[in-house]
Parts: sequence; C-alpha cells; structure tokens
Amino acid sequence: DARVTQTPRHKVTEMGQEVTMRCQPILGHNTVFWYRQTMMQGLELLAYFRNRAPLDDSGMPKDRFSAEMPDATLATLKIQPSEPRDSAVYFCASGPRGSGVIWYQETQYFGPGTRLLVL
Amino acid sequence: SQQGEEDPQALSIQEGENATMNCSYKTSINNLQWYRQNSGRGLVHLILIRSNEREKHSGRLRVTLDTSKKSSSLLITASRAADTASYFCATDSYSGGSNYKLTFGKGTLLTVNP
Repeated sequence: DARVTQTPRHKVTEMGQEVTMRCQPILGHNTVFWYRQTMMQGLELLAYFRNRAPLDDSGMPKDRFSAEMPDATLATLKIQPSEPRDSAVYFCASGPRGSGVIWYQETQYFGPGTRLLVL
Repeated sequence: SQQGEEDPQALSIQEGENATMNCSYKTSINNLQWYRQNSGRGLVHLILIRSNEREKHSGRLRVTLDTSKKSSSLLITASRAADTASYFCATDSYSGGSNYKLTFGKGTLLTVNP
C-alpha cells in the first residue's frame, strides 16, 4: 500500500555538521509538509509545499534550515550547521490532490519520521 | 504557543471501557482533526470535523465540536489494548493565499490495560 517514506530513520551527528533528511511523498500527492516533534514543543509545522512550490516556511529557523522539492517524488530538509537543540523527530507528511480551495482539508499521511540526535 | 491543548495529558483505562479526550483551542478554525500516534511511529489521521459540524462518527470513534466553547472531544468506545497510543488534535486556520496554519496539541497518552 502507498506510504510516505523517509530516510534516514535515525541520524546521530556532531554539532556543526550538515544534516539532510529526505522524504518521498505518496505518488500523486501534491502537498508536502515538514514537521518537528519534541517533548517540550510537541509537533510543530516547519514548512509546506504545494505542487513543489514552497508556500510557507515561517516555522523554520531560516538561518540554518532549508527545505526544497527538487522533483515531485522527493522533498528534502537540510540543517546546516546543526545544533544540539535541533535534536528531534522530523516528520514528513503528504496530502492528496484536492480542489483548489479546500486542499487544506485533506487528510495528511505521515511518514515514520527521522530521529535526529545532534551531540 | 499551542493552539490546541488536549486534556488529560495521560489516561489509563481497562479494556472495554470508554475513553474520552478533550481538546481546547484559542482562535477560530475551519476544521479540527484528530490523529493517533503509536510509540515511535508517525501520526495516523483518524477523523476530521468541519467547523459547521457538531458531531461525527467513525467506527468506535465519536468526535464532537463546540465552536462556542472552542472545544472538541474524542470518544473511543469499547477500548482495546491496541488503542494504546497518543492522540492529538490539530486545528487549521486559512485566510487565503498561502496563509495556512495547522497546529497540533501536545497530545493525550492513552493506555488501555488488558
């Protein structure tokens, strides 16, 4: 059955290193979301794309985070340089093609997450 | 700050009992969704209720929405051990263009004891 896939599933790195997380949305889905989950803050929306175009990335620290969709089958979230406070689980979710005015009501399908630990 | 806040933070019940979780939010919404997250896994969408709806059912799930009180409840009837998970409410607000926000609460951890 169709699923959102994320790689890597786990990542341990040292402060200052670059981290790249990848997401493959469900084929045919045209909305992609990036979330970060921590015990303290819960689940936070970092950025989202529709038809590969970034619509909102106001939840991301701009100086070190960047999100892209080089093609319809790949979304990336990059942290450079990484810091210990970036340690969290990062989720990607995709949403199915919906009508132009109610797309945000569509169900989001979450990937299994990337568990990041920055030492 | 969190838009949705679940209550209680943790709930422990026996198999077969009903579980009720509540969610309160602060600003006007278009829709409210409930998600489940099993330990170490991604979130799974359970149900969406629109702002003009008051109640919705899906299997053993019953969701109510009271926009005057800015609150929602999720009822799971005849609970099973497999229902053990964290449950999150998520509210969206959309004001045109690309101005869309989906905010999640911190969740209720439900434990169903066999």
